Amino acid sequence: DQQVKQNSPSLSVQEGRISILNCDYTNSMFDYFLWYKKYPAEGPTFLISISSIKDKNEDGRFTVFLNKSAKHLSLHIVPSQPGDSAVYFCAASGTSGTYKYIFGTGTRLKVLA
Amino acid sequence: NAGVTQTPKFQVLKTGQSMTLQCAQDMNHNSMYWYRQDPGMGLRLIYYSASEGTTDKGEVPNGYNVSRLNKREFSLRLESAAPSQTSVYFCASTTGLSGEQYFGPGTRLTVT
Repeated sequence: DQQVKQNSPSLSVQEGRISILNCDYTNSMFDYFLWYKKYPAEGPTFLISISSIKDKNEDGRFTVFLNKSAKHLSLHIVPSQPGDSAVYFCAASGTSGTYKYIFGTGTRLKVLA
Repeated sequence: NAGVTQTPKFQVLKTGQSMTLQCAQDMNHNSMYWYRQDPGMGLRLIYYSASEGTTDKGEVPNGYNVSRLNKREFSLRLESAAPSQTSVYFCASTTGLSGEQYFGPGTRLTVT
């Protein structure tokens, strides 16, 4: 049973436009969420996080929104750049103190120049 | 400051062979993790170590053992490799304060 779902395996966006990546979760005990970006042949790198006490967190071009009632979070990238082309994973945790995360299956973003 | 390092980068094993994947971090992090990534499956947690001296099972621990050798090093052992263990393996570490995990570059393992 997939507790964290990224239902769009891929997404293509024009350079300069907004990219919206979505993530749904089923476990209401999850209270901390992260987004990671992964380039081929490299390990994932941290992008942005959000705690369940917030509904929005911004860092430069990246904003994460959390809708707890819908058990849904989204990552907005504005404006999108070709260097943003990568696989994006969302991850969720509800096990306080151990930071044990459940990852989604990833969305491959392609930003077209 | 190398961050998280993993050795080897690539490995090919025959079914039944054993091997140990090595991971080290130089960030003084308390918690360390081993994940595997398979196509269409995302990252799945194999084992983790919340602090030196402790280890716990993750989602997919069967067929693996781990050792937290010291605060810096966390190794993953395959005692009898199976084709189902063909995957890319990532090690990660975190301070345990922010939750943000730092990942190594991965080990691509093929079991024939």
